[in-house]
Amino acid sequence: NAGVTQTPKFQVLKTGQSMTLQCAQDMNHNSMYWYRQDPGMGLRLIYYSASEGTTDKGEVPNGYNVSRLNKREFSLRLESAAPSQTSVYFCASTAGGRYEQYFGPGTRLTVT
Amino acid sequence: SQQGEEDPQALSIQEGENATMNCSYKTSINNLQWYRQNSGRGLVHLILIRSNEREKHSGRLRVTLDTSKKSSSLLITASRAADTASYFCATDSSYKLIFGSGTRLLVRP
Repeated sequence: NAGVTQTPKFQVLKTGQSMTLQCAQDMNHNSMYWYRQDPGMGLRLIYYSASEGTTDKGEVPNGYNVSRLNKREFSLRLESAAPSQTSVYFCASTAGGRYEQYFGPGTRLTVT
Repeated sequence: SQQGEEDPQALSIQEGENATMNCSYKTSINNLQWYRQNSGRGLVHLILIRSNEREKHSGRLRVTLDTSKKSSSLLITASRAADTASYFCATDSSYKLIFGSGTRLLVRP
């Protein structure tokens, strides 16, 4: 039981490049989330998927797209990376919106 | 904007002492949760308290919730060096969690 896994762990991009961050959970959870965490700050919600087949914007969705590929997988895409997207990205999942969330180990992204 | 705000932003205590962190929030909630984040790691859930509960315990953790004041506190008793981490409160509203900016706790051996 791996919990929530994220790939890659580290990534360096040049401005304008694109990439997809992958997230998978093996807990049969309905809801999945993408957050970003900037230095010294809390987490800000980028997008979430309350259930398979649905996605919704969070607090900071601009510059990102998501895909809920199936119940297990939720990916985050940066179409044209900008230095302001340098951050640590966390994926999380939960059985339902009112329960505890389980977090992945994070992806450290640097955009130069 | 962030719903929950922790106080203090940083706290340094001696091993064995108690640590108290506070969280204030702005709107009505279904529940409030506390998470811990060790340096460079993901967040780990500590405890969840529902809006109709006033106090909850889990091991050395004690959480209180005052919905009239829109505030919560997390008490860690008999702290250990391994408790050194950042602690975040998160409020549940509309099936999403909104995180505060966290309290950085340093427990000195």
